[in-house]
Amino acid sequence: SQQGEEDPQALSIQEGENATMNCSYKTSINNLQWYRQNSGRGLVHLILIRSNEREKHSGRLRVTLDTSKKSSSLLITASRAADTASYFCATDARGFKTIFGAGTRLFVKA
Amino acid sequence: NAGVTQTPKFQVLKTGQSMTLQCAQDMNHNSMYWYRQDPGMGLRLIYYSASEGTTDKGEVPNGYNVSRLNKREFSLRLESAAPSQTSVYFCASSEQAGQGAYQPQHFGDGTRLSIL
Repeated sequence: SQQGEEDPQALSIQEGENATMNCSYKTSINNLQWYRQNSGRGLVHLILIRSNEREKHSGRLRVTLDTSKKSSSLLITASRAADTASYFCATDARGFKTIFGAGTRLFVKA
Repeated sequence: NAGVTQTPKFQVLKTGQSMTLQCAQDMNHNSMYWYRQDPGMGLRLIYYSASEGTTDKGEVPNGYNVSRLNKREFSLRLESAAPSQTSVYFCASSEQAGQGAYQPQHFGDGTRLSIL
């Protein structure tokens, strides 16, 4: 069973637009992370938000967390072609075992 | 500046063959992990090693074995490969899992394994 589930599964936008991806999870968490995966590569950690935080920023990334709804969103502002990748949310409700969602595939058209 | 290195990058096996996937990290991390990634499934944890000398099962351990050879190296072995094990395998490491604050995982670029 998967803890995190992303929505939408795929997203196609024009360069310069904002991209929003959502993640829902099922059980209580300590924190939630977002990772990016470029085609043919491993995952790269983007940002972590703790369960007592509601919003966090890193460059063009903005992450929100709503623990009452068990959901998080990742916003990429002013997207670029280089942002084309898959984005995964991950939770660590079980200590050592980080649980990854199935991902959102983002395609940014130049 | 290598980070996590996985070998081989590609491999084709026949059903019943055995194989060991190698992983090494140069970041002095204590914890290491093996995942498999299947289309539409995200990553699933096969085995992990919280620290040198310990290994534990993840979500999908059946058909696999692991060895934490030393602090740097963590190998994954398929004793008798099956077509259901066709997947992309990722190794990852982190400073120390399970010690309160979450430690981001650093991933290798994967081994693409096909079993015929």
